[in-house]
Amino acid sequence: AQKVTQAQTEISVVEKEDVTLDCVYETRDTTYYLFWYKQPPSGELVFLIRRNSFDEQNEISGRYSWNFQKSTSSFNFTITASQVVDSAVYFCALSEYKLSFGAGTTVTVRA
Amino acid sequence: GAVVSQHPSWVICKSGTSVKIECRSLDFQATTMFWYRQFPKQSLMLMATSNEGSKATYEQGVEKDKFLINHASLTLSTLTVTSAHPEDSSFYICSARDLEGVLGQETQYFGPGTRLLVL
Repeated sequence: AQKVTQAQTEISVVEKEDVTLDCVYETRDTTYYLFWYKQPPSGELVFLIRRNSFDEQNEISGRYSWNFQKSTSSFNFTITASQVVDSAVYFCALSEYKLSFGAGTTVTVRA
Repeated sequence: GAVVSQHPSWVICKSGTSVKIECRSLDFQATTMFWYRQFPKQSLMLMATSNEGSKATYEQGVEKDKFLINHASLTLSTLTVTSAHPEDSSFYICSARDLEGVLGQETQYFGPGTRLLVL
């Protein structure tokens, strides 16, 4: 069985603060993929990143960075210097074939 | 990235009627599409996996006779909510699986969703 846990339900920050979203997963598979998606108020899911289980390199894309640690089954996401446009619900997801989503973390960035 | 469209984006219907939602992959072929349902302030729950040319696979607890899925081509899957009731009101999202890269790494790309309100 697969399971994704996003411990933080809501995070509220002031603009320019950094935000780190936690994601812990469980799987018995040796090959799997991890994802982060953003869901703004419009509802459309926006793909942010994909990681396969054999690639533990951290990644940075602009203000976004991801830390994948297989030893702790975590795939955390950091937004640096947050902006109001970052306000959304962020989902971590695990896939061997089907996607299992975490409960989501609502990020509110205040001006 | 790959684009997935859904139609309609909004639908309001009377209880007892049927509603069809279309999901299209616009610039890639998708042998597999997925249908999710999302209630307010909740996560996405997978309803079924739609495979081109074969019957859909439904998740436990999802009524296959109520949620009819047809994957008639490599770019189109449809979800029909039959005899809709107010409790079927939800946000329905489809995704299309795009197999890419030498290593076969895959990503699901999501449609914009369809909000269904059953009166």
